[in-house]
Amino acid sequence: SQTIHQWPATLVQPVGSPLSLECTVEGTSNPNLYWYRQAAGRGLQLLFYSVGIGQISSEVPQNLSASRPQDRQFILSSKKLLLSDSGFYLCAWSRILGWVEQFFGPGTRLTVL
Amino acid sequence: EDKVVQSPLSLVVHEGDTVTLNCSYEVTNFRSLLWYKQEKKAPTFLFMLTSSGIEKKSGRLSSILDKKELFSILNITATQTGDSAVYLCAGHNTNAGKSTFGDGTTLTVKP
Repeated sequence: SQTIHQWPATLVQPVGSPLSLECTVEGTSNPNLYWYRQAAGRGLQLLFYSVGIGQISSEVPQNLSASRPQDRQFILSSKKLLLSDSGFYLCAWSRILGWVEQFFGPGTRLTVL
Repeated sequence: EDKVVQSPLSLVVHEGDTVTLNCSYEVTNFRSLLWYKQEKKAPTFLFMLTSSGIEKKSGRLSSILDKKELFSILNITATQTGDSAVYLCAGHNTNAGKSTFGDGTTLTVKP
């Protein structure tokens, strides 16, 4: 069966510090991978998605970046965090070839102080 | 730009009540409408709807899609406290290969 891991679960970082959130998927190959951010009381905002190694599509201009160094690994990064980067970050995967259901990881709650 | 709007934003009911959650969408190259339930952390999949007028049902939950009027509803009958959650709907754009989510409906079921 497929499993998706995210870490850390909770993170408190000062403004201006770097960020690295990691997501890995087990039990499937060639997944579509997604990073979402959820502000309090809001829906999911798509940040990045990837259909393959090294292929990243950015949805929202911001100071975040994403990388996919391996087939089942997706990393969200920032060189300098802003207060507005606080939120709940979710990684998700879906099968390719038109499969639309997404499976979500447990999320990382980021607080930037 | 794809857009999904959910209503109401929040809802408080008592156990045993029936609720209807609404989702309207404007999605280019629309393929599917998806419903998710989010309790504490990760959203979990409920339904995927691709055809108009065909009800999907799972226990006390059911959902239907109207592709002409561009909306979907999620019904929950005989609500229980365990139904308390945020319910998210998403429209999938098949060409872009991604889903646009609404802001969710926060459902609180009181005993």
